[in-house]
Order: sequence, then C-alpha cells, then structure tokens
Amino acid sequence: QVQLVESGGGVVQPGRSLRLSCAASGFTFSTYGMHWVRQAPGKGLEWVAVISYDGNNKYYGDSVKGRFTISRDSSKNTLYLQMNSLRGDDTAVYYCAKDTHEGAATVYFDNWGQGTLVTVSS
Amino acid sequence: QSALTQPASVSGSPGQSITISCTGTSSDVGGYNYVSWYQQHPGKAPKLIIYHVSKRPSGVSNRFSASKSGNTASLTISGLQAEDEADYYCASYTSTLVIFGGGTKVTVL
Repeated sequence: QVQLVESGGGVVQPGRSLRLSCAASGFTFSTYGMHWVRQAPGKGLEWVAVISYDGNNKYYGDSVKGRFTISRDSSKNTLYLQMNSLRGDDTAVYYCAKDTHEGAATVYFDNWGQGTLVTVSS
Repeated sequence: QSALTQPASVSGSPGQSITISCTGTSSDVGGYNYVSWYQQHPGKAPKLIIYHVSKRPSGVSNRFSASKSGNTASLTISGLQAEDEADYYCASYTSTLVIFGGGTKVTVL
C-alpha cells in the first residue's frame, strides 16, 4: 500500500532554513507528480508546491514563491521541500501528497503523509 | 487570492442529508471542472472523497455526492452517520494551480 512519511520538521528561528523530506513507498514514485500542502494550527489547508513526475516542472503558491524549493530524488523515492527565509506565518503541519494520476500532474491528491510540524519562532 | 467560501459549520441528525457549498469565481470553480473535496478527521491527514467535480475514488462511500453550478460547488452527504463528523474542504484549479476552501465542520447531532 502507498505510504508517505514526512520528516525534518521542528522549531526554527525566523529567517532561518529547514529542509523537509517525504519518503515514499508502495507505488512507482518516478511516475507520479508530488505535492506539498500545509495547514497552520487550527486553520485550513493551503497548497504549497508541486513537482512533475520527472522533476522538470515545478510550481509554487504565491506565499512561498522565491523562498521554498521543491525537488525529488527518484533513486531514493524521496520528495523534498527546502524552506528558506522562514517567517512566523510559515508555522504549519506540512503534508506531502501524491497525485492521483500517473504522468502529468493534476490537482488531486489521493494519498497523504501524516504530516510534520514546522514551528517558526524566536 | 482569497480562499473559496464555505460555511463554517453544518450539522444534521443521523440518517439525514446535508449539503456543503463552496463558492468561488469564474477564475476557479466556475471556470474549470477541476473541483475536489477532502474529508479530515481531527489529528488526521485529509482524505480525497470527490474529484473532477463529482467522481468518487474507489472505496469512498456512495453516500457522498457532489455537483457544480456556476461558481458554486456542492457536496452532499446522505444517510448521515457518526463517522461523517469531520472537517470538509473543497479545492479548485485556478491560475495559481490550487486553491482550497476555508473548511466546513460537520457535526452529527
């Protein structure tokens, strides 16, 4: 079965960097687009970024554009999110999510990890 | 870009039907048939229950149905059960790729 396991969260000071990882198993990782979605404490969902199955196409939400970078290593079945210049409003649970269809990324997420909490605070 | 508009809460008794609305604009909900719905229980990850406006993924109960008219999408839960108590989020394709609704808390009375 599909399994997505995020790691790398923690407490970080404003302006610093953090890298999240998402280890994937149970499906052919190299053929699916992958997303990051976040949820601030007690708040709703916010889409963060997507990377195509081959890593050639990446798109970002307006609130993270220029600060976050999504990447993948298909040899390790792992998705990453490099987060720079972190701000207080980046505090959230970060989920990695698998696209529903092989090939071109869609906007539907059929499998999610358990999430990793990032807290930006001095 | 503002989130899609959902009612903050909806409630119903077991066995009843409830409907959750999701209102956007012609740039998102009204402009594309790429609307989805997610169910999230407390402390858990979201679960896809509807995609492409009205399609159900394999394994999702047929008590969940959805539709769209103009700039508003709707999710209906029929035969409400205790296990349906959760938060529900709509989402749509838009120029910035994906926008979510603010979420609706469903309470089973």
